[in-house]
Amino acid sequence: EDKVVQSPLSLVVHEGDTVTLNCSYEVTNFRSLLWYKQEKKAPTFLFMLTSSGIEKKSGRLSSILDKKELFSILNITATQTGDSAVYLCAVPTQGGSEKLVFGKGTKLTVNP
Amino acid sequence: DGGITQSPKYLFRKEGQNVTLSCEQNLNHDAMYWYRQDPGQGLRLIYYSQIVNDFQKGDIAEGYSVSREKKESFPLTVTSAQKNPTAFYLCASSIRTGNPYEQYFGPGTRLTVT
Repeated sequence: EDKVVQSPLSLVVHEGDTVTLNCSYEVTNFRSLLWYKQEKKAPTFLFMLTSSGIEKKSGRLSSILDKKELFSILNITATQTGDSAVYLCAVPTQGGSEKLVFGKGTKLTVNP
Repeated sequence: DGGITQSPKYLFRKEGQNVTLSCEQNLNHDAMYWYRQDPGQGLRLIYYSQIVNDFQKGDIAEGYSVSREKKESFPLTVTSAQKNPTAFYLCASSIRTGNPYEQYFGPGTRLTVT
């Protein structure tokens, strides 16, 4: 059974700190790994990773994939209160090209 | 403005009643999905549809039903057979070519059954 495990489940930091969120996966036929940010309601897409070792970057957020060790990390530098959210990791499953299996998420709280 | 709309935002029902959640998209996406999210849990797939008039069960389909009569619409019915219907329900859509794994989400419906 395909699965995604995220750690930690929750994290509290102060503004300006750097955080690293972890996502490990087990999937029969790996194609990609996706990161989403969920603030209050709808998750919004952050990154899609398909190749090992290539960092994707967007402002203070970056992510990298290790296909040998089956994990990805999401880094946020110089955190702001607006980064407070649940960060979700997902991988497409074997059953269909558009089906995603999600981890439980990491709840990040950034205090001023 | 293109996007996905879900209605209502909040829904309250008595146990034993069926309830239908609406999901509409004007992104011209072929594929649509329904997820359920419980506190401290990730998203779990209920049903998905890759094309009009066709849909497949996800991981937790029992107690739910869907229809896909139009490309833009994918309503979800929570039936009285669903044992724990109180949850946050998210609808999503994606294109079938290009980047099919990037799913766009609606704002969600929070259902409370008492």
